[in-house]
Amino acid sequence: GDSVTQMEGPVTLSEEAFLTINCTYTATGYPSLFWYVQYPGEGLQLLLKATKADDKGSNKGFEATYRKETTSFHLEKGSVQVSDSAVYFCALSPVGGSYIPTFGRGTSLIVHP
Amino acid sequence: NAGVTQTPKFQVLKTGQSMTLQCAQDMNHEYMSWYRQDPGMGLRLIHYSVGAGITDQGEVPNGYNVSRSTTEDFPLRLLSAAPSQTSVYFCASRRDVGNTIYFGEGSWLTVV
Repeated sequence: GDSVTQMEGPVTLSEEAFLTINCTYTATGYPSLFWYVQYPGEGLQLLLKATKADDKGSNKGFEATYRKETTSFHLEKGSVQVSDSAVYFCALSPVGGSYIPTFGRGTSLIVHP
Repeated sequence: NAGVTQTPKFQVLKTGQSMTLQCAQDMNHEYMSWYRQDPGMGLRLIHYSVGAGITDQGEVPNGYNVSRSTTEDFPLRLLSAAPSQTSVYFCASRRDVGNTIYFGEGSWLTVV
């Protein structure tokens, strides 16, 4: 079946540091790929997405590129802020067949001033 | 623009009690789901629905019931609460397969 693997956290960074959170997936065909963010005490919300190979999703300074050849969708940000502290979930939504999206286990990011 | 609305936000139950978590969405989405989130376990799918009158089990359905009588509402019923059901519950909806999933703000449930 489908699966999403993301790096375990917590990831602890100083403000203005570069961020990478790795995400790899296993799926048939060309799923849509997503990053969701969960701030403390809240539900998940979409951060960015990509629907086909080589697409780059971007939002709020975050970027991720859909890499079919490496089955990856790594999240990056050039300069993190304290307000970026949250849990980040990588997810895929299959095309055809299953209705069920697959989520990674989440990576906690802590940014210190 | 309400999106996905869950109630209650917090609830404490005694073992053996039953209750219903309410979920409503105003986006006319066909797909709705319930997840639970536990430390170190990520999100686990409890039940889902692909339209009014159609529901199916997810990864961890035992101890929970759902129904979908309208497009807007998707309540989750705990039949006889157990301490293992202490968790944070999220309702979610989306328009179609492959589209963005919209989550409610969560319901924190403690079973004592």
